[in-house]
Amino acid sequence: NAGVTQTPKFRVLKTGQSMTLLCAQDMNHEYMYWYRQDPGMGLRLIHYSVGEGTTAKGEVPDGYNVSRLKKQNFLLGLESAAPSQTSVYFCASRYGTGTYEQYFGPGTRLTVT
Amino acid sequence: GENVEQHPSTLSVQEGDSAVIKCTYSDSASNYFPWYKQELGKRPQLIIDIRSNVGEKKDQRIAVTLNKTAKHFSLHITETQPEDSAVYFCAATFSGYSTLTFGKGTMLLVSP
Repeated sequence: NAGVTQTPKFRVLKTGQSMTLLCAQDMNHEYMYWYRQDPGMGLRLIHYSVGEGTTAKGEVPDGYNVSRLKKQNFLLGLESAAPSQTSVYFCASRYGTGTYEQYFGPGTRLTVT
Repeated sequence: GENVEQHPSTLSVQEGDSAVIKCTYSDSASNYFPWYKQELGKRPQLIIDIRSNVGEKKDQRIAVTLNKTAKHFSLHITETQPEDSAVYFCAATFSGYSTLTFGKGTMLLVSP
């Protein structure tokens, strides 16, 4: 039981490049989330999903897209990376209705130059 | 949208002292209030949580209190130890309970 995993752990991009971050969970959780963490800003929600095939915008969705084609995976895409997207990205998952605890992945450190 | 304010942003205590971190929230419909601990370079981990139908919850040296009328909740750590040094985040449910809104975090430093 690996819990929540994220790929890659580190990445450096040039401005304008694209990439996809993968989040995977093996706990049969319904809900999945993508956050970004910047110094002094806490954790801010980018997008989330309440089940396979669903996605919704969070607090800071601009510049990102997501997909949840399989229940266990939640992908975060950056189509044209900008220096403002330099951050640590955390994925989290939650079992479903009636339970609220979110389990976090180890994070991806992304630098955009 | 939901807003969660957390204070203080930094807190320094001596080993053995108590530490208190406070949060206020804006959405009166919020019903779940977790606290996460994040050590440097690690993922946030849940340390304690409370639901709106409970006023206080304890787990060994940590406790959380909730005042729904005033819309604030607090984390209390007693007999602090150097390994308690970390960033602590509070959060509250929002958007029909599907999402959490986090405070900006408190860096706790426990000196030996």
